[in-house]
Amino acid sequence: ELKVEQNPLFLSMQEGKNYTIYCNYSTTSDRLYWYRQDPGKSLESLFVLLSNGAVKQEGRLMASLDTKARLSTLHITAAVHDLSATYFCAVEYVRIWGAGTKLIIKP
Amino acid sequence: EPEVTQTPSHQVTQMGQEVILRCVPISNHLYFYWYRQILGQKVEFLVSFYNNEISEKSEIFDDQFSVERPDGSNFTLKIRSTKLEDSAMYFCASSGGQGDYEQYFGPGTRLTVT
Repeated sequence: ELKVEQNPLFLSMQEGKNYTIYCNYSTTSDRLYWYRQDPGKSLESLFVLLSNGAVKQEGRLMASLDTKARLSTLHITAAVHDLSATYFCAVEYVRIWGAGTKLIIKP
Repeated sequence: EPEVTQTPSHQVTQMGQEVILRCVPISNHLYFYWYRQILGQKVEFLVSFYNNEISEKSEIFDDQFSVERPDGSNFTLKIRSTKLEDSAMYFCASSGGQGDYEQYFGPGTRLTVT
């Protein structure tokens, strides 16, 4: 069975702290996607990681991909309240999605 | 800035009725997708569409579902006989293709089946 597991599923943290969300997957997919969803809103594409070792950064978010370990990480640096959202990862050409990590950043 | 649009924003229907959800993808995009999200739960892939045919579909996308791109701009999802469990947010997305893999999502249609 193709699976994508995210952890943690829920994360509450203070502004200014660093943290990492993990996305493990069971397929041999070499492409991985990260998305953001604000409460009651649609989805926003954050990163598309295309190959092993890919690293992309946008502001305080950095995503990386290790296809050999079947693992992607989304690292948050010096978190700010505006980054509070649910973050999803997806593989297999956007067909298989993780359950999402709900991130709450407290001022 | 180009955006994906969806209509209606909210559709209420009775069980057993047919519904058509409409999407207008970004005009020069080549790949189109439908997803659904039951409230507070994970996003579920339904179908992808390329070159006027289905390229991938999930187990959810059974004979009750169909997609169409009738006029080169609209992309529709039809549910022939709705069930209570079809109640969800339905999101349309498009991507450019040919090396451009980023997806752009519409605002969604909330479908309520009573």
